[in-house]
This record gives sequence, structure tokens and C-alpha cells, in this order.
Amino acid sequence: AQRVTQPEKLLSVFKGAPVELKCNYSYSGSPELFWYVQYSRQRLQLLLRHISRESIKGFTADLNKGETSFHLKKPFAQEEDSAMYYCAPKRGNNRLAFGKGNQVVVIP
Amino acid sequence: IAGITQAPTSQILAAGRRMTLRCTQDMRHNAMYWYRQDLGLGLRLIHYSNTAGTTGKGEVPDGYSVSRANTDDFPLTLASAVPSQTSVYFCASSDSSGSQDTQYFGPGTRLTVL
Repeated sequence: AQRVTQPEKLLSVFKGAPVELKCNYSYSGSPELFWYVQYSRQRLQLLLRHISRESIKGFTADLNKGETSFHLKKPFAQEEDSAMYYCAPKRGNNRLAFGKGNQVVVIP
Repeated sequence: IAGITQAPTSQILAAGRRMTLRCTQDMRHNAMYWYRQDLGLGLRLIHYSNTAGTTGKGEVPDGYSVSRANTDDFPLTLASAVPSQTSVYFCASSDSSGSQDTQYFGPGTRLTVL
């Protein structure tokens, strides 16, 4: 079955430590991949997309087609990074399939 | 520009009652979506609409219906609410006809069915 996996529900890191959120997908072909973020009391919003190959708020994500992964990384976590993060491949029918999400807590 | 709005913000509903969650966008996006967000389950697509006049079923459509009479509005109706429909509901829209098909989300509606 096609699906997206985010294995760690809750990730606690100290401020300044690296953070990595894992995402593996099993969709066939070459799906577009996105990371969405939901900060406390804010709307869910796009963080970054793999085709842009950009760094947003210090986060990067590399698509590894061989491992079918799209892990999100940041070398130095900040308190404002505390949020819920969702990995979302775009399926062939143009809709997003969200993972179950990772709750990140950055400890001051 | 408001973007995408939802109403009500929250609602407590007795089981068996009918409820319509409203969603309006002013970005002239062709595609709109309804998701429910549940702890440990992430966001799951309920229904979607690629363009005005068309709708489609998502992952968890049972117990819900939608309509898309025009570009701006995409109401979600629970015909007879059940406690398992207690959730946070998010509406989203996107311009899926272009290359930048980012989904823009509303603020959500917190629904409790007793």
C-alpha cells in the first residue's frame, strides 16, 4: 500500500542541538515531496518542497530516491522551531498524503 | 485579503444533529480540500474539489458530504453527527493548475460531538 511514514511522534532536543525528522514514503514513480509545519496557535503552512532545493528557517530536506526518504534537518535547533511537522508526498491525483506528524519540542 | 476562513471556530454538538462547517477562500483557487486532524493519526483527507461543480472522496469520506457551487465556498456537512467525528477540521485550497500548488490552510474548526 502506498503510504508515508514518520516514525517518531515526539522529538525533544536541546536548543542548539541538531534536529532530524525522518520521512519515508512508498509511493511509486517520482512524487513531489513537501514538509508542512504547524506552530502553536497558527495555521498549518508549507515549510519547504523538494523541487525548490532551498533552505527555509535553517531547515533543509534532501530527497533520496534510492531510500525513498525525505528527511528534514536543521543543524542548530531554536526554541521557535517547536511545532508539529508533517511530511507530505503529492500523489498522482494531485493530492497530498500527510504523514502522522512529528511533534518537536526544543528545550531551552 | 483574508485568505481562507472557516466557521465556526469551535462547536459542541449533540450526537444525531446535523452540522455544516463553512469554508471560504478569496484567492480564486480552483482546488479545495477538507481534512480532519486527530492525535496520532495526522491529517486525513475527507473530501476534495478540483474545481467548482466537482467533488471527490478522500481517505475518510463516510458520514460527510460536500458541495462546491462556486469557486469560493466549500462547506462540509455532517448529516447525523457521531462521537467519532469529534476532531479538528481544516479546510485548505490550492491553485493546482499552476506549478506552485501549495496548499493554504484555514484556522480550523474544533468539533466535539457528545
